[in-house]
Amino acid sequence: KAGVTQTPRYLIKTRGQQVTLSCSPISGHRSVSWYQQTPGQGLQFLFEYFSETQRNKGNFPGRFSGRQFSNSRSEMNVSTLELGDSALYLCASSLGLHNEQFFGPGTRLTVL
Amino acid sequence: KNEVEQSPQNLTAQEGEFITINCSYSVGISALHWLQQHPGGGIVSLFMLSSGKKKHGRLIATINIQEKHSSLHITASHPRDSAVYICAVRGYNTDKLIFGTGTRLQVFP
Repeated sequence: KAGVTQTPRYLIKTRGQQVTLSCSPISGHRSVSWYQQTPGQGLQFLFEYFSETQRNKGNFPGRFSGRQFSNSRSEMNVSTLELGDSALYLCASSLGLHNEQFFGPGTRLTVL
Repeated sequence: KNEVEQSPQNLTAQEGEFITINCSYSVGISALHWLQQHPGGGIVSLFMLSSGKKKHGRLIATINIQEKHSSLHITASHPRDSAVYICAVRGYNTDKLIFGTGTRLQVFP
């Protein structure tokens, strides 16, 4: 069974631009969560989706948004990029909301 | 004070040693996760537990709900165990995952 895939793996953007990251969960998994990891703040929860509905959201500004499609694939979008948005963005999928999570390799975003 | 505290922050061991990493939390939880992150970023879920003890190979995880404390043990450590180990709890009220800052383990041959 294929693991969680994330695209792109690396991304360089400039301040003010917007970016869309994609996550394809393990087949059969209906829950997708997104996390941001930075050297200063560590791992922080962004969103959690189940059956196309956002079930939970972390403490991030409205510039961070996401969605989940009917095939459980998920995207997250960051608008008006700031230097501080440079981070590793990780997605994880699970069968349901409170099951073991399986992480993707991450997308490393650099904002210049 | 962070809601999830791990100790130690850094740990160095010789191959074969028994290793313990501790996690304390201050919120009510529905589950606790132990994660392993290798250089390069990939994260692997090691355990998810809400009570008692779980074992997988050379890894053992325990949790004491009353004391709000969990430990991850590695028996017969090996250089391939070198990684950052992260404790995360799912808050009972918020239903969000809260992460510890991680323990960096280096095992030397």
